[in-house]
Amino acid sequence: GAGVSQSPSNKVTEKGKDVELRCDPISGHTALYWYRQRLGQGLEFLIYFQGNSAPDKSGLPSDRFSAERTGESVSTLTIQRTQQEDSAVYLCASSLVGSGVDEQYFGPGTRLTVT
Amino acid sequence: AQSVTQPDIHITVSEGASLELRCNYSYGATPYLFWYVQSPGQGLQLLLKYFSGDTLVQGIKGFEAEFKRSQSSFNLRKPSVHWSDAAEYFCALYSGSARQLTFGSGTQLTVLP
Repeated sequence: GAGVSQSPSNKVTEKGKDVELRCDPISGHTALYWYRQRLGQGLEFLIYFQGNSAPDKSGLPSDRFSAERTGESVSTLTIQRTQQEDSAVYLCASSLVGSGVDEQYFGPGTRLTVT
Repeated sequence: AQSVTQPDIHITVSEGASLELRCNYSYGATPYLFWYVQSPGQGLQLLLKYFSGDTLVQGIKGFEAEFKRSQSSFNLRKPSVHWSDAAEYFCALYSGSARQLTFGSGTQLTVLP
């Protein structure tokens, strides 16, 4: 079946603008994760959804970052008033149950460039 | 707090040579460990995982990894590297309390013909 999809694949925005990044998880996966990958670095956890509930928002870097999820479907990561340090690849992953030890399936990412 | 260290930023090997990528972790409980591979423009793909039991785990594409508790290591190995193995490799640790994966900074593998 279809894997995790993300849109857009690339986004260039001006500093101070708001952006929305979208993630479509694998159908039937209850858990959804957002990560950020800065150039030359590993993945940094941002937020985790179980269904449409986000029990752990500790990874969001600032209050400019927010995320929503509709049921066990699409999730949107919103960055308000973007800054140059927000430039990164944003990766979304989903997993069947969310116990953590089940495999996370990753999307191809959205490359965000803030000019 | 948990952490994952991949000491080698970049490794170059010749095609057909053996490969070992290092991963060290810090975690207070029994670790759940993963190796992922990321090819250019692709998402991460799971190579293998360790939860418990046999300390030598087999994965896809001919990769294996050995968990050594005494050394806090989970090194990835492959006996004979193929050109298609050129990619970035990430070691990750799952924290049950935080329900998140903690990733190392990655090792970029270059394969020479």
